[in-house]
Amino acid sequence: NAGVTQTPKFRILKIGQSMTLQCTQDMNHNYMYWYRQDPGMGLKLIYYSVGAGITDKGEVPNGYNVSRSTTEDFPLRLELAAPSQTSVYFCASSYSVANTDTQYFGPGTRLTVL
Amino acid sequence: GQNIDQPTEMTATEGAIVQINCTYQTSGFNGLFWYQQHAGEAPTFLSYNVLDGLEEKGRFSSFLSRSKGYSYLLLKELQMKDSASYLCAVTDSNYQLIWGAGTKLIIKP
Repeated sequence: NAGVTQTPKFRILKIGQSMTLQCTQDMNHNYMYWYRQDPGMGLKLIYYSVGAGITDKGEVPNGYNVSRSTTEDFPLRLELAAPSQTSVYFCASSYSVANTDTQYFGPGTRLTVL
Repeated sequence: GQNIDQPTEMTATEGAIVQINCTYQTSGFNGLFWYQQHAGEAPTFLSYNVLDGLEEKGRFSSFLSRSKGYSYLLLKELQMKDSASYLCAVTDSNYQLIWGAGTKLIIKP
């Protein structure tokens, strides 16, 4: 099993550009999450999904969108990039419900917005 | 508000023992996680406590006191590869996972 994979690993965007961060898991997990991690800060939840076709906002959803058309894929869309979105983005998945189960993280995408 | 406190940075010596503390103030409690994160890498699961007491897993142990809102991660026989950040995270009554900022552990020879 590859686990959770993310692409790209690194990206530099100009202000106002758009991009999609890809996330795929092969563990047949229902629950998937997108986090951002800023230096010296805890992980912040952007969006999460409890299954295909179901998504919900986390703590910091503004400026982002997600979709979940399949169990495996959970892409994160940035529509109009802003410098405040410079961060490391992690996708994660878990088998069980409600944050009482181990989350498996992808390797992260390091995004810089200039 | 909800808050998790951990020391920002700790230094320890190879072969020694170190205890990393985590205190939390959350709306309810449904479990506490410890994750390890090496620099530039993803967090990986270390332990999960939902009941009071000590959970031992090899060189790593995790302790929880729900009445005190307190946990610690104990690392024994420190190795250089243990140099990493250690993240404490708590699931609150709404099953939201609240993350601490992490403790950067530096191991010296």
